[in-house]
Amino acid sequence: GDSVTQMEGPVTLSEEAFLTINCTYTATGYPSLFWYVQYPGEGLQLLLKATKADDKGSNKGFEATYRKETTSFHLEKGSVQVSDSAVYFCALSPTGANSKLTFGKGITLSVRP
Amino acid sequence: ETGVTQTPRHLVMGMTNKKSLKCEQHLGHNAMYWYKQSAKKPLELMFVYNFKEQTENNSVPSRFSPECPNSSHLFLHLHTLQPEDSALYLCASSQGRSGRPSGNTIYFGEGSWLTVV
Repeated sequence: GDSVTQMEGPVTLSEEAFLTINCTYTATGYPSLFWYVQYPGEGLQLLLKATKADDKGSNKGFEATYRKETTSFHLEKGSVQVSDSAVYFCALSPTGANSKLTFGKGITLSVRP
Repeated sequence: ETGVTQTPRHLVMGMTNKKSLKCEQHLGHNAMYWYKQSAKKPLELMFVYNFKEQTENNSVPSRFSPECPNSSHLFLHLHTLQPEDSALYLCASSQGRSGRPSGNTIYFGEGSWLTVV
């Protein structure tokens, strides 16, 4: 079945550091890929998405590129801020079936001033 | 504000109580979902409704009973829960289309924190 694997956390960075959060997936066909973010005490918010190979999703300075050859969708940001402290979830959905959204375990990011 | 509103935000209930979680979406979507988020576990899809019809029940115990009276409202009725059911319950919605939810973005509410004592 489909699955999403995220790197183990938590991750602690200083402000303005470079961020990479790894995500790899297993799925048949051409799934859509997502990053969701959950700020403390809140629900999940869509951060960015990519629906086909080589697409780059971007939002709020975050980027992720859909790499089919490596089945990866790593999240990057060039300069993190304290306000980026949150839990980040990588997820996939098979083509045309968003109800089958499969999430990774999530990783907690803490950014120090 | 995501357009998906959940109430209550926090609920403490005994194992013999009956309570309900409510979700309302203001996005004009036709598909609604319940997810469960437990500590240190991936989010688990519980139920999917598309145009008020249940299209997925992910082997959820019968002590959880969903209800979808219309495309904008979704309830989760809770009865004789166990302490291990304590979790964050997230409601979500997406555009959907006749037949099955389509590949559109899912929007989540802020969740209802449930504690079973």
